[in-house]
Amino acid sequence: GQSLEQPSEVTAVEGAIVQINCTYQTSGFYGLSWYQQHDGGAPTFLSYNALDGLEETGRFSSFLSRSDSYGYLLLQELQMKDSASYFCAVRANAGKSTFGDGTTLTVKP
Amino acid sequence: EAQVTQNPRYLITVTGKKLTVTCSQNMNHEYMSWYRQDPGLGLRQIYYSMNVEVTDKGDVPEGYKVSRKEKRNFPLILESPSPNQTSLYFCASSSWADSGNTIYFGEGSWLTVV
Repeated sequence: GQSLEQPSEVTAVEGAIVQINCTYQTSGFYGLSWYQQHDGGAPTFLSYNALDGLEETGRFSSFLSRSDSYGYLLLQELQMKDSASYFCAVRANAGKSTFGDGTTLTVKP
Repeated sequence: EAQVTQNPRYLITVTGKKLTVTCSQNMNHEYMSWYRQDPGLGLRQIYYSMNVEVTDKGDVPEGYKVSRKEKRNFPLILESPSPNQTSLYFCASSSWADSGNTIYFGEGSWLTVV
């Protein structure tokens, strides 16, 4: 089966940089994705890493190390609107995805 | 506008009364999936479909059925709902042609079984 671990809560101040880590155990691996979800809303896709290394999309970057079964999401120049839950998800095969329980990010002024 | 549309958005039903949550996408995506989300937890995959007439179980398929007769639609069927199926349900879709693996989610369906 699959299991993922990520911190339950992270707090940071506006303008700062925050890193949300995700470690996983999986019987198959296609890639690691990150999603953002505001309270009561639908998850929004942020990034996907299939290969080792860093992917950058604006203020958000995501990193993957397949040998360490580890990835992280890096959020720079934090804004109040970044307060949300962030989920990592492992795509174990072409169709199956398992999500972590989420990290609640609180951005303070 | 690219959309994944779920209906109903909110439903209160009684134990044992069959219900269907519809999901439709307008992006010609091959892949569709259903998830449930319970408080404090991540999304758990119920079923997914790689293409028309191809479906497979996710992590929590018990008590649910799906069908994929058309590419755009992927309904979730609860034959005999029970209170433990009270949850927030999301439908999602994606294209195999998208190497970035972008997955689009519907707005969610809040289901309460009493």
